[in-house]
Amino acid sequence: SQKIEQNSEALNIQEGKTATLTCNYTNYSPAYLQWYRQDPGRGPVFLLLIRENEKEKRKERLKVTFDTTLKQSLFHITASQPADSATYLCALDPAGGSYIPTFGRGTSLIVHP
Amino acid sequence: DTAVSQTPKYLVTQMGNDKSIKCEQNLGHDTMYWYKQDSKKFLKIMFSYNNKELIINETVPNRFSPKSPDKAHLNLHINSLELGDSAVYFCASSPGTGEHEQYFGPGTRLTVT
Repeated sequence: SQKIEQNSEALNIQEGKTATLTCNYTNYSPAYLQWYRQDPGRGPVFLLLIRENEKEKRKERLKVTFDTTLKQSLFHITASQPADSATYLCALDPAGGSYIPTFGRGTSLIVHP
Repeated sequence: DTAVSQTPKYLVTQMGNDKSIKCEQNLGHDTMYWYKQDSKKFLKIMFSYNNKELIINETVPNRFSPKSPDKAHLNLHINSLELGDSAVYFCASSPGTGEHEQYFGPGTRLTVT
């Protein structure tokens, strides 16, 4: 069956360091992969989308990589700040244009001052 | 301006009752969704509507009935509420035409006692 795996344990890092979050998937051939941020008590907020033919995407301090051979995406936040503390969700879109992403459970990131 | 809004924010009710959650988006998007996020934080698609037409209806009990009076609104009606329906329900919208990112509402926390 299709599976999306994100680290269930929280990632704790010091302010200023680079945070790297992992999204692995199995039995899936996504055409697109998205990353969202979710704060407690709020809805997810879209951050970045990367297509299957793209290796890397950047937006300000954020960088996403997508390796369809490894079936993995890495999400990096450089120069992390306490305000980056949140849960980060990856979501996979299948090919075929259904526009219905399947979400991972998310990884909690805690940036310590 | 609020992009995707939901009411109410909190809903506490007893088993067996019928309740509705309303959703409105002012983004001009064609596609709207309902998601359920359970206590384990999994975000699962329930329904998808495109231009007022039901596109996706995942394995959801027929006690749940979405209604889309126009493409800016997608309401969720739940009959005969059960304890297991307790969760946070998110409405979302997306442009739907080649653009995959989703814009989520703030969520409605439903507690069934």
